[in-house]
Amino acid sequence: EAGVTQFPSHSVIEKGQTVTLRCDPISGHDNLYWYRRVMGKEIKFLLHFVKESKQDESGMPNNRFLAERTGGTYSTLKVQPAELEDSGVYFCASSHLRQGTHEQFFGPGTRLTVL
Amino acid sequence: AQSVSQHNHHVILSEAASLELGCNYSYGGTVNLFWYVQYPGQHLQLLLKYFSGDPLVKGIKGFEAEFIKSKFSFNLRKPSVQWSDTAEYFCAVNGLGYSTLTFGKGTMLLVSP
Repeated sequence: EAGVTQFPSHSVIEKGQTVTLRCDPISGHDNLYWYRRVMGKEIKFLLHFVKESKQDESGMPNNRFLAERTGGTYSTLKVQPAELEDSGVYFCASSHLRQGTHEQFFGPGTRLTVL
Repeated sequence: AQSVSQHNHHVILSEAASLELGCNYSYGGTVNLFWYVQYPGQHLQLLLKYFSGDPLVKGIKGFEAEFIKSKFSFNLRKPSVQWSDTAEYFCAVNGLGYSTLTFGKGTMLLVSP
């Protein structure tokens, strides 16, 4: 069974540019999560999809971040325009069930560097 | 707001030494607790979790953790570490009815052969 995949693995962009990150969850997992780790800080929750619906987007930093999950399969996270403080590793995770006791399976992350 | 505190950011041990990584959480309600590990170049993966029952839980690769409710702690232990345990370890929590995880800052463990 394929795990959670993320693309690209690395992205280096200049301030003001746009970047789109993609996450493919494990097939059949309705729950998809985005997290971010800024250097030296903890991994922080950004948002949670259940199928194509946003269940919780309380962690999104501001309106420069837009997440979508059309069709309830893969998800994209767009940053437009990117700022220096957006640099970090963006993780995607998926789980089969919504219950908090269920394991979230993580992807390898996308390392975003904004210059 | 819930938070997780990991006591050590970097730990260096020799092989066969015992390991204990501290984790304390702040949350006003029933919690589920997790330890995740990220080996070099690999994904975050679950080591073990606690959500009810026996407060001493056993995970993969010989790891265990004990939930002490009165101390709001969930410390990770391993009696004898191996070089292959070199990794970053993350404690995480979510509340009853919620699935999103709150993580600690992580502890980088280096085991020297």
